[in-house]
Amino acid sequence: SQTIHQWPATLVQPVGSPLSLECTVEGTSNPNLYWYRQAAGRGLQLLFYSVGIGQISSEVPQNLSASRPQDRQFILSSKKLLLSDSGFYLCAWSPGTTYGYTFGSGTRLTVV
Amino acid sequence: RKEVEQDPGPFNVPEGATVAFNCTYSNSASQSFFWYRQDCRKEPKLLMSVYSSGNEDGRFTAQLNRASQYISLLIRDSKLSDSATYLCVVSRWDGNKLVFGAGTILRVKS
Repeated sequence: SQTIHQWPATLVQPVGSPLSLECTVEGTSNPNLYWYRQAAGRGLQLLFYSVGIGQISSEVPQNLSASRPQDRQFILSSKKLLLSDSGFYLCAWSPGTTYGYTFGSGTRLTVV
Repeated sequence: RKEVEQDPGPFNVPEGATVAFNCTYSNSASQSFFWYRQDCRKEPKLLMSVYSSGNEDGRFTAQLNRASQYISLLIRDSKLSDSATYLCVVSRWDGNKLVFGAGTILRVKS
C-alpha cells in the first residue's frame, strides 16, 4: 500500500532563517505531488505541484520554492523565512485527480 | 467569485440529527468531486468521492448537480465523532489540481 511521510511535525524558526521540509511517498511510482499551506482558521492554499522529476509548477509567487530531486521526494524550501510564512504545511500525492489526494500528517511552522 | 464556496458554519446539531452541507463551484468543466474531513490540527482525509448519480457510504450521502454546479453532503444519525470541518473539493479545468473549499464546521453535541 502507498504511504506518505512528512517531517518534521512541528518547527519553530526565527525570521530570516532557512527552511527545508521534506516529503516522501512509498509504494507508488510517478505520483503527482503537491505542497499546500493552511493559515490558522483558513482554507488550503496550493503552493506548488509536480507531475514528474524536476517538473515544478508554482501557484502563488512567494518566498518559497520547491524541488523534486527524486520520483517520490518533494522538498519545500525557503532561503529566508518571513513571519507570514507561519502555517500548517501539507504535502499530498495523487495518481491523478480522479482519485483525490492523500495528505501527509503536516508540519506546523511558526516563524518568530 | 471563489472557485469553491461553502457555508463556513458552524453547524451545531444534537446527536442523532440529520445535517446537510452544500457547496457550489464556478468551473463547469470540473470533472472530479470529493468531500474531505479535517479534524482540528490534523491533515484532511478523503471522506468520499461524489459521482453524478449520487452515492452513499453508510450514514453519508453525496449528491452532484452539474447543471446548478452544486454538491451536497448529507449526514444521518450524527455522532459526536462526526464533529470536524468538512471540505468540498473540485478538480480544476486543467485536470492536474484540486481546489479545496474553506470548509464547513460541524459540531455534534450530546
